[in-house]
Order: sequence, then structure tokens, then C-alpha cells
Amino acid sequence: NAGVMQNPRHLVRRRGQEARLRCSPMKGHSHVYWYRQLPEEGLKFMVYLQKENIIDESGMPKERFSAEFPKEGPSILRIQQVVRGDSAAYFCASSPQQGRRGNTIYFGEGSWLTVV
Amino acid sequence: AQKITQTQPGMFVQEKEAVTLDCTYDTSDPSYGLFWYKQPSSGEMIFLIYQGSYDQQNATEGRYSLNFQKARKSANLVISASQLGDSAMYFCDSTASKLTFGTGTRLQVTL
Repeated sequence: NAGVMQNPRHLVRRRGQEARLRCSPMKGHSHVYWYRQLPEEGLKFMVYLQKENIIDESGMPKERFSAEFPKEGPSILRIQQVVRGDSAAYFCASSPQQGRRGNTIYFGEGSWLTVV
Repeated sequence: AQKITQTQPGMFVQEKEAVTLDCTYDTSDPSYGLFWYKQPSSGEMIFLIYQGSYDQQNATEGRYSLNFQKARKSANLVISASQLGDSAMYFCDSTASKLTFGTGTRLQVTL
């Protein structure tokens, strides 16, 4: 997972506030994936992005969640009006090519969101 | 539906013994890859091993090997000579699925 940088590592937000999680992919990687891991559960796919494009957002909740991967800068996962159920670990991963076929994806160390 | 199944929520193994973690997948894709990841208690995800569906031989990486049985759609991870540091969650993943991991197996290595 070396090279995929996520920040902040830990974030505490009150209910109703906004949470922004950042992910800088590995050098040379143009594809980013966000996953959510609820306590005692496995990873759940949220969204797959290429620079300036959302490729697949089928795992994103319909409301309050959004993601972007601008031409310059990190990918951002934004959660508006957080609720306690949003408390989870959010993992970002990156790959050099589309769809990960035949390629390993590399994970960041995760961002832990706690909503109080 | 395409999915990954890990049927063992928890496994125990004695130090220095080998252990097999099961993973089955369901896909109609002719070409795909299979991954295993380790997640220790510290939380990070660590890539372990990759197997391509057209690879002729089972993948090996040090103490990790994949028992890949394409006809059965299974890709079990074998860890040889278990160490205490192997205690962790292990996730199976496939490029053929909708980018969603299996639910994981918690491995506990005992003395």
C-alpha cells in the first residue's frame, strides 16, 4: 500500500457536520477507488473514478455522499450532514489502468471517521 | 450476480502449521484476476498475492500460495509455516466482481 496517501487518518465530526476525506493515488496511477468498511464488516465498494470522471458510483449512497477526482490534486470523498451510521473506515485505492483487470490495486492506510 | 464468497468467518491455526482460507467466486467473465489482501488489527490493507485466470501455474509469493481451481471457481489462499504476525483479517477479491470484496476470514495464529 506504499504510495497511496490518505488524510486525515482520523476524523471526528459532530452529527450534521461535513466530512472531507482526501486520497492521493500512487504516482502514475490515474484510477481511484473508494471503499467503506463498517465495524466488524468487510469492505464495500463505493465509487470508482478516473481523473475528472466518475466511472462507477453504484456503491455510493444516493444522498449526502459525493466524490471527485479533479485534474489536479487529490480525490475527495465528501459526506455532508454526517450521521452516526457514517462512522467507518474509508479506504482509498489506486491502479494504473482501467477496471483493474490484470492489475493490482494499491490501498491507502485508511481514514477513520467517527461521528459523535 | 457476480460475487465473492468466503465461508469461514474465523479460523485458528497453530504456529508453524499451514492453513487454507477458502474463497469462491461467481462470474461469467472469460478473463479475470483474483487477489488476496491482509488486514491486520492496525487496519491497513496489504496486498498479498494475485492470480490471473489464464495463468498456467498457481501463484506463489513466499509463504503464500493460491490453490486456484478454475472449474470449481475457487481461489483458496494457503499460508505455510504460520507465524503469530499472520493473525489478521483476510479478504478475497476478484476483478470479475463489481469491485466488491468477500466478507473476510479472521485468522488467529496460536502458540
